Amino acid sequence: GEDVEQSLFLSVREGDSSVINCTYTDSSSTYLYWYKQEPGAGLQLLTYIFSNMDMKQDQRLTVLLNKKDKHLSLRIADTQTGDSAIYFCAERISGGGADGLTFGKGTHLIIQP
Amino acid sequence: NAGVTQTPKFRILKIGQSMTLQCAQDMNHNYMYWYRQDPGMGLKLIYYSVGAGITDKGEVPNGYNVSRSTTEDFPLRLELAAPSQTSVYFCASSSGQSYLMDEQYFGPGTRLTVT
Repeated sequence: GEDVEQSLFLSVREGDSSVINCTYTDSSSTYLYWYKQEPGAGLQLLTYIFSNMDMKQDQRLTVLLNKKDKHLSLRIADTQTGDSAIYFCAERISGGGADGLTFGKGTHLIIQP
Repeated sequence: NAGVTQTPKFRILKIGQSMTLQCAQDMNHNYMYWYRQDPGMGLKLIYYSVGAGITDKGEVPNGYNVSRSTTEDFPLRLELAAPSQTSVYFCASSSGQSYLMDEQYFGPGTRLTVT
């Protein structure tokens, strides 16, 4: 099975909060990341969390990490049309950068007016 | 800084043809990566490099080759293109500082179709 799992679609109304969920399988993950991909573009790092943290807040973004359940979430407050994109959860298992990242399939965030 | 650049943006190949996807970065990063993204899927690591002259296989290396003769450039070579290699290819780089959060910077991607 997949190492990192996400639901494929999330639809929210403009102004509401969006919560995108992710589960991972490797308990030795050191960093967990959220990347954003807009149509026709590459991936852009949104935020990350180190595995010894359980929450990180950055303006409209809140990341929650439950290490026991291997569950990561990204909350976007006051969702706007510019937030429409695919959001990828990713994990790095080793301490260095050489192994690359393991990505989920991505969650399409759809904003309804 | 231009960041990570990739050429071409789009390419259509016939089965059996060869081509090289170019990737360059101007951030003096040690680490560089090639990923492929198939429709509805996450990114899969093809090859990576930790410095000039050093490359290693990722999760899906079959059908590809890489080289890293300079810090800046990391080309990806397809020798005998197959329809299964139809995908979007992303190059990325990172500084490689193991004990800090090592952000990967991505290029805009190359969309390749093999028919």
